[in-house]
Amino acid sequence: RKEVEQDPGPFNVPEGATVAFNCTYSNSASQSFFWYRQDCRKEPKLLMSVYSSGNEDGRFTAQLNRASQYISLLIRDSKLSDSATYLCVVNSNAGNMLTFGGGTRLMVKP
Amino acid sequence: SQTIHQWPATLVQPVGSPLSLECTVEGTSNPNLYWYRQAAGRGLQLLFYSVGIGQISSEVPQNLSASRPQDRQFILSSKKLLLSDSGFYLCAWNAAGANVLTFGAGSRLTVL
Repeated sequence: RKEVEQDPGPFNVPEGATVAFNCTYSNSASQSFFWYRQDCRKEPKLLMSVYSSGNEDGRFTAQLNRASQYISLLIRDSKLSDSATYLCVVNSNAGNMLTFGGGTRLMVKP
Repeated sequence: SQTIHQWPATLVQPVGSPLSLECTVEGTSNPNLYWYRQAAGRGLQLLFYSVGIGQISSEVPQNLSASRPQDRQFILSSKKLLLSDSGFYLCAWNAAGANVLTFGAGSRLTVL
């Protein structure tokens, strides 16, 4: 089993739609969780950290479910500019090393 | 503010040729430095990380090597490239004790 698993997609959604991605992780001792965004042929950039109580940043909401070992990202009112690959990131058992999921590709259509 | 620079941005190399990718970080001291590789359509694979000058940890055995000759400089090298070395190489850094990684713009390597 991979340490961090994501549905690769692509998720094709119309503008204005709400879309959600899940990510599961295998290491129950993981403490830090993040969502990164990666545009085509560019470097990943931090989208948001994921806190235990859940957190929101504008149209983006991240949630953590420790019991089931998954994190989610909800995007409301999708924009064309949201089209990208979203990477789930979890710190591994080896100190502060981060493990990246394979990413979920989102395509927002007009 | 801190910035990370990586070069070259793109290169095409023949099989068996050497490789040198360079990464430098500005605006911070004693950063943790990382080299990742992303093959086409794949996730990020950690290749090397360094917590200080001359300290290199390898995550995946292969024909690549890394060096940290200065505090804010991280170099990825190969003596003889393989076709399978093609990919998008990303340098990243974070502060000691921090989790969030900041990536350089990447170096896209094609081995022919």
